[in-house]
Amino acid sequence: GAVVSQHPSWVICKSGTSVKIECRSLDFQATTMFWYRQFPKQSLMLMATSNEGSKATYEQGVEKDKFLINHASLTLSTLTVTSAHPEDSSFYICSGPTGPYTEAFFGQGTRLTVV
Amino acid sequence: QQPVQSPQAVILREGEDAVINCSSSKALYSVHWYRQKHGEAPVFLMILLKGGEQKGHDKISASFNEKKQQSSLYLTASQLSYSGTYFCGTEAGSARQLTFGSGTQLTVLP
Repeated sequence: GAVVSQHPSWVICKSGTSVKIECRSLDFQATTMFWYRQFPKQSLMLMATSNEGSKATYEQGVEKDKFLINHASLTLSTLTVTSAHPEDSSFYICSGPTGPYTEAFFGQGTRLTVV
Repeated sequence: QQPVQSPQAVILREGEDAVINCSSSKALYSVHWYRQKHGEAPVFLMILLKGGEQKGHDKISASFNEKKQQSSLYLTASQLSYSGTYFCGTEAGSARQLTFGSGTQLTVLP
């Protein structure tokens, strides 16, 4: 199956700082990537759709100025959490799109802790 | 809208069977099933497409009733390794994205 590499796997940052999370498709080109957030004991909730060459599409209630998404190339999408607060602490995970008869391929996920 | 899964949690003894249900209010193109261990990425189990087909892998199988927009995951003779949280992911349109269900926490005890 396709491989999606996400870094870092965990990060601890201070309140008010920014954190960048990278998501790379290693063996396929992706015009679209998806970013999810998962709080403890909850489901994966779609935050935004990253579009190569154009602006990201954000789900209702997600602050686009806080969660900056850049899809710089067909193999790299980044999520930057700006001015992080403790309530932003969560598990963030990216995935490629589903394909015909195939699953969505996920990155390894990033555990963000804001102190 | 998020698919609804039931039950929310289930505890089994090794060797027992379990059924997890997923229900959507939208017409579905496909249903995906994943298992997630704490702190890890979801692991793909299987995909079911329109057509009401049933798929299986080893002792885990699933069905998809597209008319009722429901899917069920069947775990037979459960093993300790089956413990985790199970999510259904539904695909309702052409966006090629998944909407995940509320999750079912499965615990298999020795």
